[in-house]
Amino acid sequence: QKEVEQDPGPLSVPEGAIVSLNCTYSNSAFQYFMWYRQYSRKGPELLMYTYSSGNKEDGRFTAQVDKSSKYISLFIRDSQPSDSATYLCAMSKGWGNFNKFYFGSGTKLNVKP
Amino acid sequence: DGGITQSPKYLFRKEGQNVTLSCEQNLNHDAMYWYRQDPGQGLRLIYYSQIVNDFQKGDIAEGYSVSREKKESFPLTVTSAQKNPTAFYLCASKGREDYEQYFGPGTRLTVT
Repeated sequence: QKEVEQDPGPLSVPEGAIVSLNCTYSNSAFQYFMWYRQYSRKGPELLMYTYSSGNKEDGRFTAQVDKSSKYISLFIRDSQPSDSATYLCAMSKGWGNFNKFYFGSGTKLNVKP
Repeated sequence: DGGITQSPKYLFRKEGQNVTLSCEQNLNHDAMYWYRQDPGQGLRLIYYSQIVNDFQKGDIAEGYSVSREKKESFPLTVTSAQKNPTAFYLCASKGREDYEQYFGPGTRLTVT
């Protein structure tokens, strides 16, 4: 069993829709939960992070962590064609200078104009 | 501009040849990583280095080698022993915070 599971999609939505992206995980030691956005043939860029449980909002993006269910979500409101990308969830235990990051397989999102 | 550079962007090699992928960072980060990304799969850790002159195998190190002679540089060699070398390779470094990881633009390696 992979430590982080993510539905690969693809997910296709009309412009303006609310998008929900999700990951599940198995290791209760994870403390940091990140979402990366990766455009085609580019390196991933950090979109948001959350420490432990709870919600975090940044503009049109909201990250949620439910540690009791080992489930994390990223919501995108008023989705735009420029949001079309692959979204990777990642997690880490937070052990200082070296930190192993565990990645989901990525969900490919297409927002249609 | 601070960041991570990888070169070249695209690389083509014949089977049986070793090839070295470049990774340079000017972020003054100690920890650096190499990942491999295949379609439909997450990032898989090849090697990591916490400090100069030190590096450790990741989850899929077989057929790869690295060096870390300078803080800024962490080159990856894909050897002929790597059975399926065609992939997208990403170099990363870690910032001060435990959630911070910065990626380079990647190198697409094609071996025929």
